[in-house]
Amino acid sequence: GAVVSQHPSRVICKSGTSVKIECRSLDFQATTMFWYRQFPKQSLMLMATSNEGSKATYEQGVEKDKFLINHASLTLSTLTVTSAHPEDSSFYICSARRLGEDYNEQFFGPGTRLTVL
Amino acid sequence: SQQGEEDPQALSIQEGENATMNCSYKTSINNLQWYRQNSGRGLVHLILIRSNEREKHSGRLRVTLDTSKKSSSLLITASRAADTASYFCATDENTDKLIFGTGTRLQVFP
Repeated sequence: GAVVSQHPSRVICKSGTSVKIECRSLDFQATTMFWYRQFPKQSLMLMATSNEGSKATYEQGVEKDKFLINHASLTLSTLTVTSAHPEDSSFYICSARRLGEDYNEQFFGPGTRLTVL
Repeated sequence: SQQGEEDPQALSIQEGENATMNCSYKTSINNLQWYRQNSGRGLVHLILIRSNEREKHSGRLRVTLDTSKKSSSLLITASRAADTASYFCATDENTDKLIFGTGTRLQVFP
């Protein structure tokens, strides 16, 4: 299998607080993990690419100081939304690319619903 | 990043009918993938078609790819109420990133 988990699945926080979201590949090692954001009834927008042991690569328009990514091991990446505001409320989804794959199939986590009050 | 376009944006059909969704993209690709997303959930990988393939089947799914037109279609045959979901195409643009299309919301009525 290729299972990716995310924790928490849902979080509600006050404006100004920071929220950490974990993404884990449960039964495989992931060379690369990706973080996406999805607003209601819209598609997934790639925020950043996370590589184990190196700095994340952010997409244009994504603030790296606001969305901190740490990829400490081949099975765990974390996204921290710092000083969250209501406009950061969204569905955050991670995916992982399996080590050794010769094509770009990504396995997706179940997503984290963030609501900032 | 440039997003692919999908049409229709929404599709409503009766159980047993076929559903066809189309995807167009802008750049050259190594492969194109289709994903399904149930409301409020993560994505499930359905099928991958490589740039040198023209058609691929998986169960009730049939995917075509026309690289000259930069387009792909997903056909779901004999649809079921459980097929109700959003469907997204995704291309790699010759990188390790996936660029998702705008999606088609499919509603299958029993």
